[in-house]
Amino acid sequence: DAMVIQNPRYQVTQFGKPVTLSCSQTLNHNVMYWYQQKSSQAPKLLFHYYDKDFNNEADTPDNFQSRRPNTSFCFLDIRSPGLGDAAMYLCATSITGGTDTQYFGPGTRLTVL
Amino acid sequence: DQQVKQNSPSLSVQEGRISILNCDYTNSMFDYFLWYKKYPAEGPTFLISISSIKDKNEDGRFTVFLNKSAKHLSLHIVPSQPGDSAVYFCAASGYMEYGNKLVFGAGTILRVKS
Repeated sequence: DAMVIQNPRYQVTQFGKPVTLSCSQTLNHNVMYWYQQKSSQAPKLLFHYYDKDFNNEADTPDNFQSRRPNTSFCFLDIRSPGLGDAAMYLCATSITGGTDTQYFGPGTRLTVL
Repeated sequence: DQQVKQNSPSLSVQEGRISILNCDYTNSMFDYFLWYKKYPAEGPTFLISISSIKDKNEDGRFTVFLNKSAKHLSLHIVPSQPGDSAVYFCAASGYMEYGNKLVFGAGTILRVKS
């Protein structure tokens, strides 16, 4: 089945220790998104790629970076995680962006100790 | 600045009855609205959408109503089934200065009791 896969599902890191979250897709979609969702809050868009073009949200902290080495993979790098970065991180894809349906992965739950 | 609000954190409904989930938005530039459903340990999945040129869209047991003057939309599930128990997210989209993207509400937990 075509899908969006996120690894790992659960990630524990220490305060200040860099961490990388992974997302892959078999849908061959052009657009890949990263959302941060804290408990009982709305998913918040961090950035997205349209193909190789990176689009950062204005309020995304510099601590968060992303890489998309090819169509299938996208990574979220948190350079120096703080306690406030503990959250669920959701990856999503869509064909062309805009009002296209977004297809979500199951998320990675990040814990910062 | 919450542009999309779901004011009911949770809703409990008896099986077979109607579930009504509500969503309000503040930005008049939004012109496309979606509902996503999320089960535990899974990502959100698209459920139903509506364009601002319509006031109703129906898909089986699910109907979304849009009241543009009130900046309000609602999702009706009739009849509700235990398998509908999930978190429901309202989302809005429209071209704004920062591009066309989805803005989500915080979600409503629906529990359907059998």
